[in-house]
Amino acid sequence: QVQLVQSGGGVVQPGRSLRLSCVGSGLTFKDYGLEWVRQAPGKGLEWVSVISYDGRKTYYTDSVRGRFTVSRDNRNILYLQMNSLRPEDTAVYYCARTDYFASGPSYGWFWGQGALVTVSS
Amino acid sequence: QSALTQPASVSASPGQSITISCTGTSSDIGAYVSWYQQHPGKAPKLMIYDVTSRPLGISSRFSGSKSGNAASLTISGLQAEDEADYYCSSYMTTTKVFGTGTKVTVL
Repeated sequence: QVQLVQSGGGVVQPGRSLRLSCVGSGLTFKDYGLEWVRQAPGKGLEWVSVISYDGRKTYYTDSVRGRFTVSRDNRNILYLQMNSLRPEDTAVYYCARTDYFASGPSYGWFWGQGALVTVSS
Repeated sequence: QSALTQPASVSASPGQSITISCTGTSSDIGAYVSWYQQHPGKAPKLMIYDVTSRPLGISSRFSGSKSGNAASLTISGLQAEDEADYYCSSYMTTTKVFGTGTKVTVL
């Protein structure tokens, strides 16, 4: 059974940093692309970033490029390092497993439970 | 990239059918269209991929289609458990976009 368990959310001041983690189980993690999607309170879904199955390619939405960094390691963990956070980054952040051997954006087949990030002074 | 456009809400009685539209530009709505269902406080769930395909375990009451720059999700035989938010999505080589979301209410 595929499971993605997230951690790392919390309250942070504007301009500070935070790192989200997403631990996968029940799947051969290294064979799949992984992405981050966020949802501001009461708003719709917004795609944030994706990392290829082999970690060699990463893509970002315009509003976070240069501030956020997605990475993965061979311990079945996906990360999202968020720097220079802004109030508009406040959202529930979801990780998701995408396609087999995906090199870019794809479908979100399995999702984590979400982690709330609040950027406020 | 702008969000795809969906109606804010759709409602119908149990047993009826509804269709949710998703419109964008010709470069937005291609072959890689999907639909997600999201219940309050829960993570999204993939319901349709590749415009018309259903993942294993998804009811055949859910079906997808596409015509020109618009995709659609149809739910037939509406049930109380179908009450949720629905989002379309489309991805390209380096980016992905979601629709504005539609709240489905079962009367």
